[in-house]
Amino acid sequence: DTGVSQNPRHKITKRGQNVTFRCDPISEHNRLYWYRQTLGQGPEFLTYFQNEAQLEKSRLLSDRFSAERPKGSFSTLEIQRTEQGDSAMYLCASSSLGSRDPDTQYFGPGTRLTVL
Amino acid sequence: GDSVTQMEGPVTLSEEAFLTINCTYTATGYPSLFWYVQYPGEGLQLLLKATKADDKGSNKGFEATYRKETTSFHLEKGSVQVSDSAVYFCATNYNQGGKLIFGQGTELSVKP
Repeated sequence: DTGVSQNPRHKITKRGQNVTFRCDPISEHNRLYWYRQTLGQGPEFLTYFQNEAQLEKSRLLSDRFSAERPKGSFSTLEIQRTEQGDSAMYLCASSSLGSRDPDTQYFGPGTRLTVL
Repeated sequence: GDSVTQMEGPVTLSEEAFLTINCTYTATGYPSLFWYVQYPGEGLQLLLKATKADDKGSNKGFEATYRKETTSFHLEKGSVQVSDSAVYFCATNYNQGGKLIFGQGTELSVKP
């Protein structure tokens, strides 16, 4: 079990550019979550998938944000036309609904985005 | 909507002191409650959890009891160590396997 991995770990971009992040969940975990964390705050929910289906999206997820999980394994989060307010740590987590511990979410190390 | 409120930090303690970090929640239904910890430079890790009223979660000397009557899940440890210095997050979910709602975090600093 290699844990949740995220790439890249750091991304610096200029305002207006598009960025894409990738998350690889724990193998065979069917749920995958995206959160955003700003300095001094707790993570805020963005969206989550069960297999390839996107089940819920937060109001925080504006139309510039899109997430996919095309084959029910890895997921990508894309931000178009980035703004300085998008600067944050983007966290991915996974869990296994139907397992003995369906509630526990395992978090990746995060991708830190800086928009200049 | 559902929410989690934690005591504000930072909290600074001497080694071997007693720790309490307060957490209260508002949630409909029967959520699970969690404490996650974030050590410097590392990702979020589950510290302990409780899935129903009166359950006690425990791990690494930390404990928290799910109190439905007071809607609380306070984190305690009898004797903290320098290595416990981290940010602690209380969280709840709407339902099994659902999204987590986090408090704002409490930074703990333990001095030798």
